[in-house]
Amino acid sequence: GENVEQHPSTLSVQEGDSAVIKCTYSDSASNYFPWYKQELGKRPQLIINIRSNVGEKKDQRIAVTLNKTAKHFSLHITETQPEDSAVYFCAARSRSGTYKYIFGTGTRLKVLA
Amino acid sequence: EPEVTQTPSHQVTQMGQEVILRCVPISNHLYFYWYRQILGQKVEFLVSFYNNEISEKSEIFDDQFSVERPDGSNFTLKIRSTKLEDSAMYFCASRVGLSSGNTIYFGEGSWLTVV
Repeated sequence: GENVEQHPSTLSVQEGDSAVIKCTYSDSASNYFPWYKQELGKRPQLIINIRSNVGEKKDQRIAVTLNKTAKHFSLHITETQPEDSAVYFCAARSRSGTYKYIFGTGTRLKVLA
Repeated sequence: EPEVTQTPSHQVTQMGQEVILRCVPISNHLYFYWYRQILGQKVEFLVSFYNNEISEKSEIFDDQFSVERPDGSNFTLKIRSTKLEDSAMYFCASRVGLSSGNTIYFGEGSWLTVV
């Protein structure tokens, strides 16, 4: 079935360092890959997304890369700040069915001041 | 900015009781979803709804669950006889449509505690 694996499950970085979170998806029909940030007790908030016809996308300190052949995509956060601390979820949207999202298992990012 | 709204924000219910979680999707959106997140775990797809009918559901969405769009604005999730393992945060989400909107927007969630 459709599955998204996400690593690492927890990540601690010093303020100012970079953080990288990686995901692998199983459904080759997936064509849209959003990343969500979730703070404790809050809704997931979209922070960046990438479509399957693009290899890389950047928005200020956040970038996402996609390797369609390997079915990998990654989130890169540079110059991390304490307010980046949260749980980050990747997701893959299938082109089949009702375009539901399959989420990864989440990465708890802690940025140490 | 338009938002998906959900009520209640938190509900405590006795095991075996019926629960209805309510959602008001963004007004021009056509696709509606319910997702569930057990504490500390990932967000899991439950069901999608389009054109007044269920278009897809997961194995979690068994006969105890139902969804309804009783009027032009509300979208509800009913759990007929709650179990302890139904305790979770339930997120409603909506999306514009197939061709123009890939992004789904989540509500704030309804935290359900079954005791």
